[in-house]
Amino acid sequence: QPVLTQSSSASASLGSSVKLTCTLSSGHSTHIIAWHQQQPGKAPRYLMKFERSGSYNKGSGVPDRFSGSRYGADRYLTISNLQSEDEADYYCETWDSNTQVFGGGTKLTVL
Amino acid sequence: ELHLVESGGGLVQPGGSLRLSCAASGFTFSTFWMSWVRQAPGKGLEWVANIRQDGSDKYYVGSVKGRFTISRDNAKNSLYLQMNSLRAEDTAVYYCARVAYGSDIHTDVWGQGTTVTVSS
Repeated sequence: QPVLTQSSSASASLGSSVKLTCTLSSGHSTHIIAWHQQQPGKAPRYLMKFERSGSYNKGSGVPDRFSGSRYGADRYLTISNLQSEDEADYYCETWDSNTQVFGGGTKLTVL
Repeated sequence: ELHLVESGGGLVQPGGSLRLSCAASGFTFSTFWMSWVRQAPGKGLEWVANIRQDGSDKYYVGSVKGRFTISRDNAKNSLYLQMNSLRAEDTAVYYCARVAYGSDIHTDVWGQGTTVTVSS
């Protein structure tokens, strides 16, 4: 079963950019992943998924400031022009044999 | 607009039972896989169970196998989670989630969650 590794925390200044990383375990580098945002005290919200082609597809209403990229087993979520409401936990998700796997999450602090 | 609304959470003693419900609206419920995901206090997201569109296939995380049962009623646009033999470590917010199942399988809609507390 794949393992998704995320840094536990990240921080960046208001108005700047930040790049969060989700790393797929060995042997699973081609798995599809999705990113979700969870603001404090709220339910998770779907942000985007990476397609097999390498492109990403965002959910409805997700601002243009959010973008995705990848390199090898790494999947990145980049947030530009950081806003205070971007302070949240960010989780990546993948699937394998009809079971769902989440990364441990990255807590993003906007300074 | 897409909506998933959970209900049925509460305080239950260890060894007790609880049934969670999730009411879906705004989409054709019967055409989607569905799942339950939980989040213990201060912890990350943990997948619990999922179910195929017609209910014919069900999958569980190891820690709940034999204790929890996922089911659905497509006529009522509803998803359920029957939880038996509850333990303190089952204490969590439980989220209902829609699964976009295909070549790029992923969760694309979340409910607001319902809280389950297992304590004496």
